[in-house]
Amino acid sequence: DADVTQTPRNRITKTGKRIMLECSQTKGHDRMYWYRQDPGLGLRLIYYSFDVKDINKGEISDGYSVSRQAQAKFSLSLESAIPNQTALYFCATSAGEGEQYFGPGTRLTVT
Amino acid sequence: GESVGLHLPTLSVQEGDNSIINCAYSNSASDYFIWYKQESGKGPQFIIDIRSNMDKRQGQRVTVLLNKTVKHLSLQIAATQPGDSAVYFCAENSGGSNYKLTFGKGTLLTVNP
Repeated sequence: DADVTQTPRNRITKTGKRIMLECSQTKGHDRMYWYRQDPGLGLRLIYYSFDVKDINKGEISDGYSVSRQAQAKFSLSLESAIPNQTALYFCATSAGEGEQYFGPGTRLTVT
Repeated sequence: GESVGLHLPTLSVQEGDNSIINCAYSNSASDYFIWYKQESGKGPQFIIDIRSNMDKRQGQRVTVLLNKTVKHLSLQIAATQPGDSAVYFCAENSGGSNYKLTFGKGTLLTVNP
């Protein structure tokens, strides 16, 4: 089984809808991250969490919120989706110093 | 502002050749660097990392070189194979102990058989 899983893998939604992307990890890491990937822009950090009680904004947090339900779970919500939030979303985890482990991604399309 | 960038957005090589992917960074305080490989439809996968107290680090068929004087990072892939075709990202930790990574925009490596 994959160490970092994301659901759903693909989602099409309409403008104004609320949507939640979920991430689970079995690596036992304290740190979890949400990134957005757009063509030509690389990966940009949306939110990150260093433990269950710690939530921090990244460089592009506007229009997003997160919830750290447990050490293993970190959810990303779009309260009112808009077309320019169409992108590939990745969750990642890390133990602290060093590499981040990425999930397979969620492809989100907002029409 | 500080950023991580790549010299070449695309690189095409013949199978068996060596590949070199370059990355420029501008934050002199960055102390840790990673190279990731991303295949189509998948998440980024760790290749190799290097800390700022090192100039070179070798893995299996890959070598990362760090030149702090000119703020340059490179990934060398020996005997490139078709399975190496992917987008390669460099990332730097400019967040100190927070270990927040800033990613470059990526280089697409295509290996021709």
